[in-house]
Amino acid sequence: LAKTTQPISMDSYEGQEVNITCSHNNIATNDYITWYQQFPSQGPRFIIQGYKTKVTNEVASLFIPADRKSSTLSLPRVSLSDTAVYYCLVGEHNYGQNFVFGPGTRLSVLP
Amino acid sequence: GAGVSQTPSNKVTEKGKYVELRCDPISGHTALYWYRQSLGQGPEFLIYFQGTGAADDSGLPNDRFFAVRPEGSVSTLKIQRTERGDSAVYLCASSPGGDNEQFFGPGTRLTVL
Repeated sequence: LAKTTQPISMDSYEGQEVNITCSHNNIATNDYITWYQQFPSQGPRFIIQGYKTKVTNEVASLFIPADRKSSTLSLPRVSLSDTAVYYCLVGEHNYGQNFVFGPGTRLSVLP
Repeated sequence: GAGVSQTPSNKVTEKGKYVELRCDPISGHTALYWYRQSLGQGPEFLIYFQGTGAADDSGLPNDRFFAVRPEGSVSTLKIQRTERGDSAVYLCASSPGGDNEQFFGPGTRLTVL
């Protein structure tokens, strides 16, 4: 069971780039890294998934070093609406007891 | 298109009562998941359906919890003899298949008095 560690909270200002790093030292060969975002009173929303190197979509970028023991979610030019909890998950499959949402990182974007 | 819907949005019950929570997944999604989320914590996996069958129910905490998906679409999470510790937000998600991104509903907030 690949456990993840993330900062509990982060603060940023509008327009800044935010990088949230997740540690997963015992990630397995077949595990993928997935990030979800959750706003208050809503269910989580998928942001991005990757296996190695760099993945980019319209919302974020995911950087994964060669040893895959950590990953960094990068949010470019955040706005107030990016205030949310961000979860890093690691697992071979996108379901089950091995696909664990930890407590996440609470990002607060300030004006 | 319509997302995942859950009813009721809020449910207050008394200790010992039986409750049913309903999930309507996105049309055509074969996979359906139930999670439980306590305040300040991430969602905790309960059960995963592929079609009508429970492919993985290892997250159900005990035999008071049961879920069904008889026609491979709507699912009902059933909790017998509710306890105060069952109070949480119950989230449902669906996906086109078992290993795709999950689309979550808004959840049902269950309060057991």
